[in-house]
This record gives sequence, C-alpha cells and structure tokens, in this order.
Amino acid sequence: AQTVTQSQPEMSVQEAETVTLSCTYDTSENNYYLFWYKQPPSRQMILVIRQEAYKQQNATENRFSVNFQKAAKSFSLKISDSQLGDTAMYFCAFTNAGNMLTFGGGTRLMVKP
Amino acid sequence: SAVISQKPSRDICQRGTSLTIQCQVDSQVTMMFWYRQQPGQSLTLIATANQGSEATYESGFVIDKFPISRPNLTFSTLTVSNMSPEDSSIYLCSVGSSGGAYNEQFFGPGTRLTVL
Repeated sequence: AQTVTQSQPEMSVQEAETVTLSCTYDTSENNYYLFWYKQPPSRQMILVIRQEAYKQQNATENRFSVNFQKAAKSFSLKISDSQLGDTAMYFCAFTNAGNMLTFGGGTRLMVKP
Repeated sequence: SAVISQKPSRDICQRGTSLTIQCQVDSQVTMMFWYRQQPGQSLTLIATANQGSEATYESGFVIDKFPISRPNLTFSTLTVSNMSPEDSSIYLCSVGSSGGAYNEQFFGPGTRLTVL
C-alpha cells in the first residue's frame, strides 16, 4: 500500500516571501502521479500542481513549483511571493492507477501580512 | 475540469437519523468517489461509486452505514445512516478526469455534517 507523509503540521510565512512544504511517499510502483491540493477555509479542494513520475522536469504553475526527487521519494512544494490568499491547508496526494488518491496528513499554512 | 455541486452544503442532524448527500457533475464521468474528512484531518476514501453496479468500499466502511447510489454518469448520492456524533465530518465527492493524462480528481465543495 502507498503512504504519503507530510512532516510539517503547520507552517507560517511572511507575505511576499518563499515557503517550501515537504512531502514524502512510499511506493513500489514505477509510474505514478503526484499532486498538491489546496483547501482554504471554504473547504473547496483545489488542485494546485501535478507531476508525472516519468517526467524528470519539475512542474511549475505560476508561483507554485515542485522539487520532485524520485529516488528519494520526495515531492516538495515551493510557493514564491506568498500571498494572503495562499493561507490554507495543503495536501500532498499520490495515485498510480484508477484515479484512487492517497492523501498525506496535510500542512496548515498561514501567510502573515 | 468538471463542475461539481453538492447538496446540502451543511446540515445539523440528530443522532440515529440518516442524511443523503447529493453530488451532481456537469458532464458524464466514469469514476466518482466519496471521501470523509474528519475535523482537522486529511481525506479518507469511503468508496468508489460505479455506474450500473455496486459501489466499492474501502476498509472500515460498509454499505449498511454508507449506502451509495450511482444511477447515471452525472449523479451520485451518499447516505450516512443511523448517525452518531462520530459521523460529524465534511463529506466530499470527487470525479476522476476522463481520459486525462494525469489521473487527477476534481472535488465538489463538500457537505459539512454535524451530528448532535
């Protein structure tokens, strides 16, 4: 069974600065997909960024980028130029097939003005 | 991405009663999922709702407690039966991307359930 671990229950960052959220996972699969989801207080789950395991190039979406280290089974999220609207729970998630997602425990991010 | 709605958005229920949550998608999708998110916790998959067949339940979840219907490719319901305060959670439905390269899921806005 796959597991996803987020070791930082809570983090904070000053507005306009950069923050990195950690995620590690465990799998015996070679081909899989990784995601970061954001859940603001509205509780809507929003897909932030995604990465295919066979792609070596790290995914980037505007201010959001990942550092994907396949050998280390690490998938961290970097948020640049943090904004107040980035305040939310962030979940790392894994899937290898069939759309079944395994979620990490989440990291609560607070962006301070 | 699909647009997903859920009804109700929130409810407060009495112990021993049942609540049915509806999930509507604006396009036909093959795979629909139901998740539970207990207070301050991550998401846990309850079941996969299959059109035309019985739902597939994850370990720890049973059909008698969480019956699911999937009458067509755009709609599903989850019933939380014989509720207790431990059932107080956010319940979310999601859909898998149809033929998408990333196997991602898109989520509804969730239903916040409080059981007294």
